[in-house]
Parts: sequence; structure tokens; C-alpha cells
Amino acid sequence: EIVMTQSPATLSVSPGEGVTLSCWASQSISANLAWYQQEPGQAPRLLIYDASTRATGIPARFSGSGSGTDFTLTISSLQSEDFAVYYCQHYHSWPLTFGGGTKVEIK
Amino acid sequence: EVQLVESGGGLVQPGRSLRLSCTASGFTFGDFALAWVRQAPGKGPEWVALKRNRAYAETTEYAASVRGRFTITRDSSKTIAYLQMSNLESEDTALYYCARAIPAIVGYHFDYWGQGTPVTVTS
Repeated sequence: EIVMTQSPATLSVSPGEGVTLSCWASQSISANLAWYQQEPGQAPRLLIYDASTRATGIPARFSGSGSGTDFTLTISSLQSEDFAVYYCQHYHSWPLTFGGGTKVEIK
Repeated sequence: EVQLVESGGGLVQPGRSLRLSCTASGFTFGDFALAWVRQAPGKGPEWVALKRNRAYAETTEYAASVRGRFTITRDSSKTIAYLQMSNLESEDTALYYCARAIPAIVGYHFDYWGQGTPVTVTS
């Protein structure tokens, strides 16, 4: 099983600032990585797939990069609706696994 | 508009069974794989089961933690996916999401999710 690790667990950021979230895979997953955003009480929402492709309707301030084992999600200028929990998920092999999440909170 | 609506969750005793339903609309049901993903309180999502589309013979994949206890099925005439859960354990307590699954070379990511149905396993 591929273990996905996210760091840090919590990020405190001011609105308008940029932020970079990290996700590591325990073995190479090529670019088979997705990022999701989950607001309180809501289902996860797909942001990025194939490590760097924005999903339909996702604003350009969200960008993903990386391949192999190291991945990042960057939000260029945080808006109020971006304060949420972010999860990465690999789909390189079975089982599909998610990271533990990074909570982006208002500073 | 793609919609996935889960139902069937509830309170159940350990060892008992429960069947969840996912009613889909807004897309061609038979063209997509569907999955169940659960999320225990305060935890990250955990993929549970997936059923491929008809192009892939509707084959299935299961997480090790549920293999042999859970069964995913789909009824294309009703555009409903099901998760039959048996021999439930307290560790199965979670919010269960249905998700539309998009294939890659091997695995899938999830582009649309329902709002979830809660399952609580307790004596």
C-alpha cells in the first residue's frame, strides 16, 4: 500500500497571502495524484488531477506540481472560501489512498 | 448537472448488515465507474470500493479492510449504485460518500461526490 503523507497538519495564513501545501508518496506514483478541498460539513471537491491539471471550474489561483514522490498544491492568494482542509490522493495502484490532510486556517 | 444522492445510512449493531444506495443523475450512468469513499469523524477520506463501467466489464475493487464483507453493485436501469455491507464492525462507523470515478492507467480519481450518508455501528 502506498502511504500518502501531508505536511503540515495545519497552516495559519492571512487572506490574500499565498500558501504551498506538500504531499509525499511512500513510493513513486508518477503524476497519478489528485488534490481535493473539503469545507466544513461538505463533501470533498476535486481541485487538481494528474498532479497539475485543474478540474472544471477551479480558479487559476490553484496550481499543482510534482511527480514521482513529491507534490505541492499552491494557492496564490487566499480568498475567504479557500480556508478549508486539503487532501491529496494517489491513483497509481490499488488500494487508492488519501493523505491525512492539511487544514488551512485564518491567521 | 451531475448529482449523486446517497441514502440508507443509519444506526446498526455490530455484526448486522446495511445497504447503502447512490442515485445518480445528470450523466450517462453506464459510461462511468462509481465508488464508495468513507470518512470517519475527524479523519481523512478512505476509499472503500469501486465498480468499473460496462466498458471494463463492471469489475470491482475493494479495500482490504472491507473485502469479503462489502459488495458494490450497480443497476443501470435505475441509475443506482449500492453498497451492501455485512458483518459490520465499529471501525466501519463513518460518513459514506458515493463518487463518480475517472480512470487513469491503473486507478481512479473522483470528480463528483454526493453529500454522504452516515453509518454508525454500535451496540
